[in-house]
Amino acid sequence: GDSVTQMEGPVTLSEEAFLTINCTYTATGYPSLFWYVQYPGEGLQLLLKATKADDKGSNKGFEATYRKETTSFHLEKGSVQVSDSAVYFCALSGYDSWGKLQFGAGTQVVVTP
Amino acid sequence: EAGVAQSPRYKIIEKRQSVAFWCNPISGHATLYWYQQILGQGPKLLIQFQNNGVVDDSQLPKDRFSAERLKGVDSTLKIQPAKLEDSAVYLCASSLDLRTSGFTDTQYFGPGTRLTVL
Repeated sequence: GDSVTQMEGPVTLSEEAFLTINCTYTATGYPSLFWYVQYPGEGLQLLLKATKADDKGSNKGFEATYRKETTSFHLEKGSVQVSDSAVYFCALSGYDSWGKLQFGAGTQVVVTP
Repeated sequence: EAGVAQSPRYKIIEKRQSVAFWCNPISGHATLYWYQQILGQGPKLLIQFQNNGVVDDSQLPKDRFSAERLKGVDSTLKIQPAKLEDSAVYLCASSLDLRTSGFTDTQYFGPGTRLTVL
């Protein structure tokens, strides 16, 4: 079945550092790929998405490119802020999943001043 | 535009008691999801509705969990009787319409209900 694997956390960075969170997936066909973010005490928010191969999703300085050849959707940000401290979830929705999201385990990111 | 509303935000119960959660999706959203998020894990789908019909409830423990969306808008999720392992955050999400947007659609999540079973 469909699955998502993302790097374990916590990832601790200093402000203005470069952030990468790796995400790889297993699915039949061409799923849609998502990054959701969960700030402390809040629900999940969509950060960005890509619905076909080679698409790049971007939002709030974050980017991720849908790579079919490596089945990956790594999240990157060039210069993180303390306010980026949160848990980040990679997720996919498969062609035959009727919209159901399959999530990774989440990666906690801690940004220190 | 109002987001997905859930209540209560927190609930503490003893094992073998019953509990119910309520969700009000974004206005006009036909598809509604309930997810269970255990601490340290990603959310897992429990049940999915399209209007008032069930699309997928394959992961719902039907001996103790039930859910309904009678008028195709609000939804309730019930656990009876609760077990210790049901301690989790229960997330409700909605999306525009599975039939037209399918697997590319964005799901919008509520703040969740944190359940603690003692």
